[in-house]
Amino acid sequence: GAVVSQHPSRVICKSGTSVKIECRSLDFQATTMFWYRQFPKQSLMLMATSNEGSKATYEQGVEKDKFLINHASLTLSTLTVTSAHPEDSSFYICSAPGRGGAEKLFFGSGTQLSVL
Amino acid sequence: KQEVTQIPAALSVPEGENLVLNCSFTDSAIYNLQWFRQDPGKGLTSLLLIQSSQREQTSGRLNASLDKSSGRSTLYIAASQPGDSATYLCAVASNDYKLSFGAGTTVTVRA
Repeated sequence: GAVVSQHPSRVICKSGTSVKIECRSLDFQATTMFWYRQFPKQSLMLMATSNEGSKATYEQGVEKDKFLINHASLTLSTLTVTSAHPEDSSFYICSAPGRGGAEKLFFGSGTQLSVL
Repeated sequence: KQEVTQIPAALSVPEGENLVLNCSFTDSAIYNLQWFRQDPGKGLTSLLLIQSSQREQTSGRLNASLDKSSGRSTLYIAASQPGDSATYLCAVASNDYKLSFGAGTTVTVRA
């Protein structure tokens, strides 16, 4: 079946550094990818929708200058957390609709970001 | 804005007992509803998907019902096993494939 590969799975960084998270669709093309964030004991919250070849669409309250999204090809979307701070520590996960649209949403394995 | 609530937040049962997990949502105009399993530090595993026109779905020991008019879904897990211990997430999809998640129910099945 379709697979979405996300890495790194875990990253620890110092405050002020930038962290890039990659999400790849391995055997299908994804013109759209979704980025979610999950704080401990809370729901996954949609951050942004990544669109191949165009600007990402951000949800209300998400800083586009802080969470840079690039979807340069049909198989790769990246999320860069710029100038990370401890409050950005969270679980980030991507998903992409397969050929079945909403019936087939494939998820990456997630990235646990810890900012010291 | 769609709000998804899951009750209870945590559940601990002895092995063999049936599990009942509840999910409610505020906007009945949904595309579908999915139940996921999340293991610590890992991604999501899709368990069941119910289209908005359906009332229930079954897979093995799992059964999920959907009452769209009242904004409710229930996940039943029969004859629970220790391997069922995980966090179960309910997610509602809108027509643009965006998901609204509940906060999850963390299940512990005691051997």
